[in-house]
Amino acid sequence: GAVVSQHPSRVICKSGTSVKIECRSLDFQATTMFWYRQFPKQSLMLMATSNEGSKATYEQGVEKDKFLINHASLTLSTLTVTSAHPEDSSFYICSARDGDRSEQYFGPGTRLTVT
Amino acid sequence: GDSVTQMEGPVTLSEEAFLTINCTYTATGYPSLFWYVQYPGEGLQLLLKATKADDKGSNKGFEATYRKETTSFHLEKGSVQVSDSAVYFCALSDLGGYQKVTFGTGTKLQVIP
Repeated sequence: GAVVSQHPSRVICKSGTSVKIECRSLDFQATTMFWYRQFPKQSLMLMATSNEGSKATYEQGVEKDKFLINHASLTLSTLTVTSAHPEDSSFYICSARDGDRSEQYFGPGTRLTVT
Repeated sequence: GDSVTQMEGPVTLSEEAFLTINCTYTATGYPSLFWYVQYPGEGLQLLLKATKADDKGSNKGFEATYRKETTSFHLEKGSVQVSDSAVYFCALSDLGGYQKVTFGTGTKLQVIP
C-alpha cells in the first residue's frame, strides 16, 4: 500500500532556531502534498497545499514566511519552521496524494517542541 | 464553506458494547466522506470512506453510510474492543478527494475491559 514517512518523528529545539520536517512518499509519486497542524485535543487544521515544482498555497492566517514549504520532487516535501517559538509547538502531519488516485495518505506526524 | 460536525467526546464504552459516533456535514456539491482513526502518538489512518449517496463504507467491523438526505455519515460498530480505543475523525473532501480534506474535531473513544 501507499506509505508516507515523516522525519523526524520528534524534535525539540530552542526558541529562535529553525526546524525542517521532511515528508516523503515511499512508493508512489505525490503530485500534491498537504501540511496540517494539530493542537492538543483538537482537529487537524490545513496549513498549506504544495504542488511539485510550484509555490505552496497557504490557508488564511498561516504565515508563509514562517512556515516555508518546498515541494522539490514528486516524492519529497519539506516544512521549515523558521525562528520557532514555544507557541509553534504542535503536532505536524503531512499527507500526499497519489497523482493517479484521489485518496490522500497521511504520514505518522512530527511532534515539535520549542523550549 | 465546507464543515464537519461530530459528537463531542470522550466516549467511554465497555468491551463488546455497540458504538455510534455521529457525524453531519455541510458542503457544496457532492463530497466524498471519510472516517480516519488516530491511535495514541500516531498519525491518521483511513478507516473507511464513501464517495456517493447511499454508499456504505466498511472496514474492521466499522460501518458508515453516506446519507445525503440527512447530510450524515455516522460511524457504527457492533462490538467494540479495547484495541479500538483511539480518536476518530469524520472528514469530507470535494471532487472525490482531489481537494483538501476538511476534518471534524475528533471524538475520543475509550473502551474499557
